Amino acid sequence: AQSVTQLDSHVSVSEGTPVLLRCNYSSSYSPSLFWYVQHPNKGLQLLLKYTSAATLVKGINGFEAEFKKSETSFHLTKPSAHMSDAAEYFCVVSERLVNDMRFGAGTRLTVKP
Amino acid sequence: DADVTQTPRNRITKTGKRIMLECSQTKGHDRMYWYRQDPGLGLQLIYYSFDVKDINKGEISDGYSVSRQAQAKFSLSLESAIPNQTALYFCATSAEGQSSGELFFGEGSRLTVL
Repeated sequence: AQSVTQLDSHVSVSEGTPVLLRCNYSSSYSPSLFWYVQHPNKGLQLLLKYTSAATLVKGINGFEAEFKKSETSFHLTKPSAHMSDAAEYFCVVSERLVNDMRFGAGTRLTVKP
Repeated sequence: DADVTQTPRNRITKTGKRIMLECSQTKGHDRMYWYRQDPGLGLQLIYYSFDVKDINKGEISDGYSVSRQAQAKFSLSLESAIPNQTALYFCATSAEGQSSGELFFGEGSRLTVL
């Protein structure tokens, strides 16, 4: 069965500096990988997804992630953090179907002025 | 109006009480899901339904039941609530045949069981 590990439970950056949220996955097949964002008191929203096309995936709000099969990683990055990026981020792996999705524990991103 | 609406948004109840959380959607999706979110554990799938006549257990279905009243409505029930069911519950939908796996979430129902 697939699984996902988010390596940091909390990341704090200053506004204008780069963001790196780390995610490693385990999968027996070629997985699909996703990043979702959850703002306070809101539901989760899809940021970006990898489904076996280009390994560098661009998402909304300037985020991108790179699928590295050799490292079993799918880290989320953004060149310059904005205050509105403060939220919880979830890395998700799926081998086949939506009902088979596995969520990471989440990384809380804090952005300092 | 939100595409996926959950009611109630907040509920405090006592051990042993029956609780129903309701979800309705205007996205026209056939597939609906109930997830539970606990701090440090991410989201876990409770039940899912691919159409009105289809109900399936997820990872953590014990202590829960669901009803798919219509394409747009999917309710989650706790027949006899217990304190470890205190959590944030999310309803989600996805399109049939959706290989991209995008889920559309409601804003959550926070349940506290005393």
